[in-house]
Amino acid sequence: GAGVSQSPRYKVAKRGQDVALRCDPISGHVSLFWYQQALGQGPEFLTYFQNEAQLDKSGLPSDRFFAERPEGSVSTLKIQRTQQEDSAVYLCASSSPRGGATDTQYFGPGTRLTVL
Amino acid sequence: AQSVSQHNHHVILSEAASLELGCNYSYGGTVNLFWYVQYPGQHLQLLLKYFSGDPLVKGIKGFEAEFIKSKFSFNLRKPSVQWSDTAEYFCAVKAGGTSYGKLTFGQGTILTVHP
Repeated sequence: GAGVSQSPRYKVAKRGQDVALRCDPISGHVSLFWYQQALGQGPEFLTYFQNEAQLDKSGLPSDRFFAERPEGSVSTLKIQRTQQEDSAVYLCASSSPRGGATDTQYFGPGTRLTVL
Repeated sequence: AQSVSQHNHHVILSEAASLELGCNYSYGGTVNLFWYVQYPGQHLQLLLKYFSGDPLVKGIKGFEAEFIKSKFSFNLRKPSVQWSDTAEYFCAVKAGGTSYGKLTFGQGTILTVHP
């Protein structure tokens, strides 16, 4: 079956521009996570959704970052007034119909954002 | 807050050599532990996970990991590596008792296997 998909795969933005990154989770998955992966580092948690509810946004680095999942399926991560330090790969992961803590997270291919 | 440390940034081996990648975490409570792998050009995928029970966990492709609570470690092992094991490996931890699977990752270890 189809896995997690993300678009665009690559995004180049000029400093100060707004960007929107899309995640299509596996159909029926309750939980959705966003992670940020800087060059040479491991992924870092940004935010978590259970269905349409954003239950944890403790990892969002500033109020320029905003995520939504209005219908409990597709999610969008928006970054306003992009800065060079926002350059990273943004990963989306989804897990299980049950949304439990033991469920495996399935990752998408990521969106590589470069801010010039 | 928990943190994860992977000892080696880049490991280079010849085929058939044995592999051990170190992973240590800092967290005082119950943890769930994971190893993820990212093959060149592919997505992150789960290699193995530990939640409870037998501390020696077996995963896909002949990998295993041992949870040693007293050492806060979860090292990944494989007795004989293959060229196809060339990839980046990430150790991750989740604080036990949380109702969802928020993961904290290490910085990753790049494994290069020469044929």
